[in-house]
Amino acid sequence: DSGVTQTPKHLITATGQRVTLRCSPRSGDLSVYWYQQSLDQGLQFLIQYYNGEERAKGNILERFSAQQFPDLHSELNLSSLELGDSALYFCASSVRDRRGGEQYFGPGTRLTVT
Amino acid sequence: GQQVMQIPQYQHVQEGEDFTTYCNSSTTLSNIQWYKQRPGGHPVFLIQLVKSGEVKKQKRLTFQFGEAKKNSSLHITATQTTDVGTYFCAGPYRGSTLGRLYFGRGTQLTVWP
Repeated sequence: DSGVTQTPKHLITATGQRVTLRCSPRSGDLSVYWYQQSLDQGLQFLIQYYNGEERAKGNILERFSAQQFPDLHSELNLSSLELGDSALYFCASSVRDRRGGEQYFGPGTRLTVT
Repeated sequence: GQQVMQIPQYQHVQEGEDFTTYCNSSTTLSNIQWYKQRPGGHPVFLIQLVKSGEVKKQKRLTFQFGEAKKNSSLHITATQTTDVGTYFCAGPYRGSTLGRLYFGRGTQLTVWP
C-alpha cells in the first residue's frame, strides 16, 4: 500500500459525458502528479501540482483540467469524453516538487468510455 | 524533443535466465529512478541512483547509472516468476526546476516457469 488513494476504482461512462477522478496523496506529500496509461502504453504525464499550485503540464488535453485543494487532495476533470479517453489514470505523490524525488502511485482509476 | 528511451519493449525469458533492460535519455538526468508495475497493478518505486557511475544492488537486481548520467540499466540475475511485470526508468532533467519525471515506455518482462 503506497498510501495514495484514488477513487473511484472503475468508471464506465458514455461519450460526451464529464467525470471527476479523485486522489489523496500520502500524508506529508505536497506534490501530486496525474498520468494516463492506455493499453500497452507507457505512462503519459498529464499535470503536476505542488501545494495547490500548478507546476508543470504535459500532454494534457484542453478537455481535461485538474486542481489541488487546500487539504492537498486533487481532482482530475475529464469532459466531452471520447472513446480514446478510455485508459487507466494514475495519481502519484511525492514530497518534493523541484528535485524530482521518487513518486508513490495510487491504485489508479480505470475509465471506460462507451 | 527530449525523451527517455527504453529497450527492449518486450522480453520473454525462461525462469532462471538473466534479464537486462536499458534506458537512454537524450538529456542529462539529475537522477534515475526505476519502477516496477505488476500486471493489473500500479507502478512501484524500486530505487533511485544519483551519482555518475553509481551501481546499486537489491538482492538479484543490479542497477547502474551511466557516467554521463544519460543512461542506465537494470539487470536481474536468475529470474523468477515473481519478477514478471513492466519495468520503467524515469528521471528529472538536470537543471529543471520542476519535479516532473520523464518516463521511458517500459520493458515488459514475461518469465516462463
